[in-house]
Amino acid sequence: SQKIEQNSEALNIQEGKTATLTCNYTNYSPAYLQWYRQDPGRGPVFLLLIRENEKEKRKERLKVTFDTTLKQSLFHITASQPADSATYLCALGEDSSYKLIFGSGTRLLVRP
Amino acid sequence: SAVISQKPSRDICQRGTSLTIQCQVDSQVTMMFWYRQQPGQSLTLIATANQGSEATYESGFVIDKFPISRPNLTFSTLTVSNLSPEDSSIYLCSVDWMATNEKLFFGSGTQLSVL
Repeated sequence: SQKIEQNSEALNIQEGKTATLTCNYTNYSPAYLQWYRQDPGRGPVFLLLIRENEKEKRKERLKVTFDTTLKQSLFHITASQPADSATYLCALGEDSSYKLIFGSGTRLLVRP
Repeated sequence: SAVISQKPSRDICQRGTSLTIQCQVDSQVTMMFWYRQQPGQSLTLIATANQGSEATYESGFVIDKFPISRPNLTFSTLTVSNLSPEDSSIYLCSVDWMATNEKLFFGSGTQLSVL
């Protein structure tokens, strides 16, 4: 069955450093991959989408890579700030379906 | 973007009762989705609600337990029936506002605790 793995342990980093979060998947060939941010008591907020034919996408301090051979996406936040502390979810999707498959998320803690 | 108002934000319910969650969107959308997020788990799609037709349920979710209404293009309700402690979870509505399958907007969620 389809499976998405995100590190369940929290990532704890110092302010100013680059945070790197990982999303691995198996038994799936997604057309695209999305990253969402979720704060406590709130719904997820869309951040970035990267398609299977794209290697990398950037938005301000965010960078996402997508390696369909490794079946892995990396999510980077450069010059991290305490305000970046949240849980980050990856989600996979196909063009032929509205259904997204979500990972369980990785919590990021940025220390001042 | 779409603004989604979901209520209640949280509730504590007794076993055997039901809870109805409302989701209001500030613009007309074709597809609305209901997700469940159990503690430490990923979001799981419960059903898709389209206006004017029956909701489409995912494997493991049935209409008797999770009846859904979609009376118009801006509103939907999810009822969680015959509550048990296993139903304690966060329930989220979401919309594909751009109808592109590429970005979902979520409500803030309903935290349900069943005693």
